[in-house]
Amino acid sequence: DARVTQTPRDKVTEMGQEVTMRCQPILGHNTVFWYRQTMMQGLELLAYFRNRAPLDDSGMPKDRFSAEMPDATLATLKIQPSEPRDSAVYFCASGLGLASHTDTQYFGPGTRLTVL
Amino acid sequence: GDSVTQMEGPVTLSEEAFLTINCTYTATGYPSLFWYVQYPGEGLQLLLKATKADDKGSNKGFEATYRKETTSFHLEKGSVQVSDSAVYFCALSSNYGGSQGNLIFGKGTKLSVKP
Repeated sequence: DARVTQTPRDKVTEMGQEVTMRCQPILGHNTVFWYRQTMMQGLELLAYFRNRAPLDDSGMPKDRFSAEMPDATLATLKIQPSEPRDSAVYFCASGLGLASHTDTQYFGPGTRLTVL
Repeated sequence: GDSVTQMEGPVTLSEEAFLTINCTYTATGYPSLFWYVQYPGEGLQLLLKATKADDKGSNKGFEATYRKETTSFHLEKGSVQVSDSAVYFCALSSNYGGSQGNLIFGKGTKLSVKP
């Protein structure tokens, strides 16, 4: 049963520290998405990759957030420096990318980040 | 821009009751529409989808019909179970412009089903 995996599942850190979240998309999927979920804002798209190339990162605060895909099996989301307002659940999702707007996205279990 | 509006929760029902969660959307072009479900402590899972007008998505007793004339995609189930307790998200994916493939979500509706 193929699944998207994310590590760590939980992360508690102090303000100013660097945080790196990792995602392994489903093998064969060529689109990867990063979302942030908070009570106030709901689910927000942060970044979107196709074939490892960033297509849309307009939802991401550029001064502190960065997203990369070093290879097809790994996507990373980094926050440096972290701030308390970054506390949220971060989800990674992947898709086949055959027909963009009809594709199903498969979500990982999320990383719960708490910045003190 | 594109947006999704779904009914505020929480919704509390007794087992075997009829469920409706309303969802309406605003979009340019012809989006695909989705319902995702999130169980406690888990990521989102696709529940059903419809990719063109008048399509009906169905899964696990849930149904939703893509109504272009009313820009709606209401979720229904005839008889809910305790195991259906979760948060339900309506979402759209546009077929227009640079945002193709991005999911735009509603705020979510929390459903609690009591035995």
